[in-house]
Amino acid sequence: SYVLTQPPSVSVAPGQTARITCGGNNIGSKSVHWYQQKPGQAPVLVVYDDRDRPSGIPERFSDSSSGNTATLTISRVEVGDEADYYCQVWDSGSDHLWVFGGGTKLSVL
Amino acid sequence: EVQLVESGGGLVQPGGSLRLSCATSGFTFSSYDLHWVRQAPGKGLEWVSVIGTAGDTYYPDSVKGRFTISRENAKNSLYLQMNSLRAGDTAVYYCARGFMVAGANFFDYWGQGILVTVSS
Repeated sequence: SYVLTQPPSVSVAPGQTARITCGGNNIGSKSVHWYQQKPGQAPVLVVYDDRDRPSGIPERFSDSSSGNTATLTISRVEVGDEADYYCQVWDSGSDHLWVFGGGTKLSVL
Repeated sequence: EVQLVESGGGLVQPGGSLRLSCATSGFTFSSYDLHWVRQAPGKGLEWVSVIGTAGDTYYPDSVKGRFTISRENAKNSLYLQMNSLRAGDTAVYYCARGFMVAGANFFDYWGQGILVTVSS
């Protein structure tokens, strides 16, 4: 099965840039999607297909992917960005066809 | 506005059964794949099942043979029949709409989730 690896936590000061990584075998060849989940709430799609954002998601959220690492970049971080972030890919060879990373807690200090 | 609302959760004993429902609105239900995704307390997200527009279904091994996903297009509703429940099935269960574009396959809308607790 395909495995996605995320750091458990990332900390950043308001106004700075946060980078959350998602590691997977040759993930650069896959389409990667990112979700934001605030406490007690459902996940929200913030980036899909490596670069696109749903309506209402600010341009501060972007993604890049190469080799074995995908990175969600949040520019000019705000206190309201504090949340858990999950990467996700689709892998036809996996038992779990839709594969999630373990999640990263973003703390805005 | 796209909406998905889960119901039917609660406390059930190990070995018991439960049926979750997901009522939807705001989109052409029959045109989309629909999923269930769960999240154990304090843990990450786990995909549980999908039903395609043609009624095709897929499950991971962890629930295969115990869970059955179904849809009723006339009622814009999604269901998950869960049998032989185990403590490890305790989680918040989300229904989610699937979206595919140019090989990308992801979840664009989610319900608010419903808690299922398996305990004696």
